[in-house]
Amino acid sequence: GQSLEQPSEVTAVEGAIVQINCTYQTSGFYGLSWYQQHDGGAPTFLSYNALDGLEETGRFSSFLSRSDSYGYLLLQELQMKDSASYFCAVRDGYNKLIFGAGTRLAVHP
Amino acid sequence: EAGVVQSPRYKIIEKKQPVAFWCNPISGHNTLYWYLQNLGQGPELLIRYENEEAVDDSQLPKDRFSAERLKGVDSTLKIQPAELGDSAVYLCASSLRNSGGAGEQFFGPGTRLTVL
Repeated sequence: GQSLEQPSEVTAVEGAIVQINCTYQTSGFYGLSWYQQHDGGAPTFLSYNALDGLEETGRFSSFLSRSDSYGYLLLQELQMKDSASYFCAVRDGYNKLIFGAGTRLAVHP
Repeated sequence: EAGVVQSPRYKIIEKKQPVAFWCNPISGHNTLYWYLQNLGQGPELLIRYENEEAVDDSQLPKDRFSAERLKGVDSTLKIQPAELGDSAVYLCASSLRNSGGAGEQFFGPGTRLTVL
């Protein structure tokens, strides 16, 4: 079967660093994406990892280990506006995006 | 540049009634997707189009759901008849040809459907 596991909720304070983990089991694998979705809003693309290693984009970084079927999203210098749901999504062997259930991040002052 | 446009944003209907959702993708995007998102869950693909051809509709409940993408641009998703369990957000997304790279998908704001 196909499954993605990520924590349901994470809480952090402004200025802190938070890591959201994602483990996956899918039929084939092209890469791991991360999307952000604010309440009532559209999912927006954050990052994509096709190869092992760390990709950095501003305050956000994403990591992938294909051998461990594991990745994470790292958010640094947290701001209140980062409060949202974060989804990992695998591009499987059929070039389809399979989304996890999402991690709800709450950033407090 | 305009993003993905969807209408209506909200729809409330009684069960057994029909309903239709419309999507206009980003100009130049060949690939169009319809997703269903239940509360507290990630989007689930219903159907994917490459231009006007439905290349993956394996998750579309064909007994009550139908979709079309005439001329390979706008798309319509229809439910007839709607059931209580269809209450969800219906998201449309588009991307450049779905053949590699990051395959970044651009999502519309969705249509929130409530079936009473």
